[in-house]
Amino acid sequence: GEDVEQSLFLSVREGDSSVINCTYTDSSSTYLYWYKQEPGAGLQLLTYIFSNMDMKQDQRLTVLLNKKDKHLSLRIADTQTGDSAIYFCAETPMDSSYKLIFGSGTRLLVRP
Amino acid sequence: KAGVTQTPRYLIKTRGQQVTLSCSPISGHRSVSWYQQTPGQGLQFLFEYFSETQRNKGNFPGRFSGRQFSNSRSEMNVSTLELGDSALYLCASSDPNTGELFFGEGSRLTVL
Repeated sequence: GEDVEQSLFLSVREGDSSVINCTYTDSSSTYLYWYKQEPGAGLQLLTYIFSNMDMKQDQRLTVLLNKKDKHLSLRIADTQTGDSAIYFCAETPMDSSYKLIFGSGTRLLVRP
Repeated sequence: KAGVTQTPRYLIKTRGQQVTLSCSPISGHRSVSWYQQTPGQGLQFLFEYFSETQRNKGNFPGRFSGRQFSNSRSEMNVSTLELGDSALYLCASSDPNTGELFFGEGSRLTVL
């Protein structure tokens, strides 16, 4: 089945690292994504990882993929107040490449 | 280059009415997909269109329909509105080279 789960809330202090976790159930997913949504805005793609990769780094962002445990994480280094937003992980199922299955979103609050 | 444009941004309807939402994709993008975002159900895939053809459809009742025009602009329609249809409706267009989805800011529908 298709199901993507995330913890609902994360609070960190400015300058610390944030780690947002996600688990998924479709082992055939080809791509896994992280999106950011700020208040009143649409979704912005932050980064993605192909299913045959273990890690991807892009400036302050590091994505780790554990296919055995179907676990995806997003690490934001040196978190800033502007990083406060809702973060969604999403997968593209193998049998439905034209849609994304989203997690419920993790609200990140960065305290000054 | 203009982003994905959705109209109207906000609208209020009453139960039983119908609504039509519009989405203009980024120039050159031929794939358009629609998502419903609610606090309870999160982000759920509605449908995806390419070259005026629906390629994929989510698990929504027949009251939800869509279409795409020859210029790639898309509309979605919800008939016989219910209170539970209150949501943010997001449209995304897909970059033909990378597959990346670019989201509009959404149309927020309130059903009274």
